[in-house]
Amino acid sequence: EIVLTQSPGTLSLSPGERATLSCRASQSVTSRYLSWYQQKPGQAPRLLIYGASSRATGIPDRFTGSGSGTDFTLTISRLEPEDFAVYYCQQYGSSPLTFGGGTKVEIK
Amino acid sequence: EVQLVESGGGLVQPGGSLRLSCAASGFTFSSYWMHWVRQAPGKGLVWVSHINTDGSNTNYADSVKGRFTISRDNAKNTLYLQVTSLRAEDTAVYYCARGVVVVGLDLWGQGTAVTVSS
Repeated sequence: EIVLTQSPGTLSLSPGERATLSCRASQSVTSRYLSWYQQKPGQAPRLLIYGASSRATGIPDRFTGSGSGTDFTLTISRLEPEDFAVYYCQQYGSSPLTFGGGTKVEIK
Repeated sequence: EVQLVESGGGLVQPGGSLRLSCAASGFTFSSYWMHWVRQAPGKGLVWVSHINTDGSNTNYADSVKGRFTISRDNAKNTLYLQVTSLRAEDTAVYYCARGVVVVGLDLWGQGTAVTVSS
């Protein structure tokens, strides 16, 4: 099983600032099958990034995914008020599918 | 509208059973693998199970293997999760999600809550 470790656990930032979230895998993720999801309180997760760097439909370009192998990053270039949420990475190249523990981006 | 709608959750005693349903609409349900993912209160997301397009291939997380059964009825555009021998640690919101091989889980339902308590 591929274990995904996200850091930091919590990121305290102000609107307009840049957010950098990390996701490290215990072994190489197959074919860059790494996705990022956003979840707000009381809501279902929403797909943001797939294939490590491709934005899902309707996702603004301030969200950028990068990385390969075992190290992946989600960058939010300028935080908007609606971006404060919990972000999860997930690998779907190997069974079982696994999620990271999440990074909470909170308002400073 | 493309959507997934779960139902069937509730309060159940330890050792009890439930059948969760996920009704799909707005897309060709029979063309997609489907997944169940759960989230315990205040915790992260955990994959539970998946099923292929015709139901011939299923897989489960070790924590639920032998207790949960995933199935689908393509004629009814509905995904199911039969959950049995429930434990307190199965308490969670259960989400169904559509899987796309090169994309991941691109469509999620709103979730149905299962509480296991005496």
